Amino acid sequence: EAGVTQFPSHSVIEKGQTVTLRCDPISGHDNLYWYRRVMGKEIKFLLHFVKESKQDESGMPNNRFLAERTGGTYSTLKVQPAELEDSGVYFCASSQRTRDYSTDTQYFGPGTRLTVL
Amino acid sequence: AQKVTQAQTEISVVEKEDVTLDCVYETRDTTYYLFWYKQPPSGELVFLIRRNSFDEQNEISGRYSWNFQKSTSSFNFTITASQVVDSAVYFCALSGAPSGTYKYIFGTGTRLKVLA
Repeated sequence: EAGVTQFPSHSVIEKGQTVTLRCDPISGHDNLYWYRRVMGKEIKFLLHFVKESKQDESGMPNNRFLAERTGGTYSTLKVQPAELEDSGVYFCASSQRTRDYSTDTQYFGPGTRLTVL
Repeated sequence: AQKVTQAQTEISVVEKEDVTLDCVYETRDTTYYLFWYKQPPSGELVFLIRRNSFDEQNEISGRYSWNFQKSTSSFNFTITASQVVDSAVYFCALSGAPSGTYKYIFGTGTRLKVLA
């Protein structure tokens, strides 16, 4: 079974440009999460989708970030316009949606390293 | 508020030594989950273990063991007879159940270097 995949693995852009990150969750996983790790700090939650609906977007830093999950499959995270402080590693994770939430374990992708110059 | 503290930024050990990675958490939830993930040089976060707050039994998996103590709010991870392949960044994480969203709260990670 394929794991969570993310594209691209690396992206280097200039301040003010737009970048779109993509995440393909494990097939059948309704839950999809985005996280970000900046400058060696802790990995921080950005948002959570259940299928195509945003369940929690409390971690989104500002309105320059837009996440979508059309059709409830893959998700994209767009940063427009990018700023220097957006540099970091963006992780995507997915999990099954079960009635017993104790089985909700998130499986992470390899991350996208974003560098804004 | 929920918080996870991994006070050890980096640990270096010689192969075959035992090493313990510390994790201390804070939460007001009565039901919560604790996790450990390994991040090898390839970058992905590899799931190691999940523990719920009602299960304080220690767990052993091969050379890995976990000590969960609610009295001290700790969930420590021990690697016995460490190997070079254990070199990675290890993250402890906390998830609270009642809120309806199961976002993880991560610690800052501990970089483990196992020297041959």
